Amino acid sequence: DTGVSQDPRHKITKRGQNVTFRCDPISEHNRLYWYRQTLGQGPEFLTYFQNEAQLEKSRLLSDRFSAERPKGSFSTLEIQRTEQGDSAMYLCASSSQGAGELFFGEGSRLTVL
Amino acid sequence: AQSVTQLGSHVSVSEGALVLLRCNYSSSVPPYLFWYVQYPNQGLQLLLKYTTGATLVKGINGFEAEFKKSETSFHLTKPSAHMSDAAEYFCAVSPTSGTYKYIFGTGTRLKVLA
Repeated sequence: DTGVSQDPRHKITKRGQNVTFRCDPISEHNRLYWYRQTLGQGPEFLTYFQNEAQLEKSRLLSDRFSAERPKGSFSTLEIQRTEQGDSAMYLCASSSQGAGELFFGEGSRLTVL
Repeated sequence: AQSVTQLGSHVSVSEGALVLLRCNYSSSVPPYLFWYVQYPNQGLQLLLKYTTGATLVKGINGFEAEFKKSETSFHLTKPSAHMSDAAEYFCAVSPTSGTYKYIFGTGTRLKVLA
């Protein structure tokens, strides 16, 4: 069990560019979550997958954000036409069915210049 | 709807002193409750959780928390602070079924003074 891994750990981009983050959950976990954390705040829920199905999306997830989880394994979070307000830490978490406990990755920090 | 309030965004204690971090929650149904710790530039690590059963929950690194339904509280305590406890602490609530989506508080940064 190698835990939840996220890539890249840090990304600096210019406003208007597209970025993509990848999350590899713990292998036997069928539930996957994306959260966003800004400075001085707690993580905010973005979206949730059960296997390959995206079952819930926060209203924080604007049309510029899209997440996928093909084949119910790894997940990607893409942000199109980045804005400075997108600068944050993007956290991925996974859990097994019914466990209630989320296991978090170390996050991908995005800086939009 | 569920929500979490953490009183005190910054708490300072002396090494060896009692640590008390406060968390109050709002939930229309019995929730699951969690405390996580976050060190700089790292993800969140679970300290302890309350699901069902005993209301006094013991976690890692000597931390414990007590679920008090009548007070809708889940305060985190540690009898004796250590320098390595300096970090940010987050309280979270989740439903007991469905998505298990966590709602986090805004966090409390703990500073331990030598």
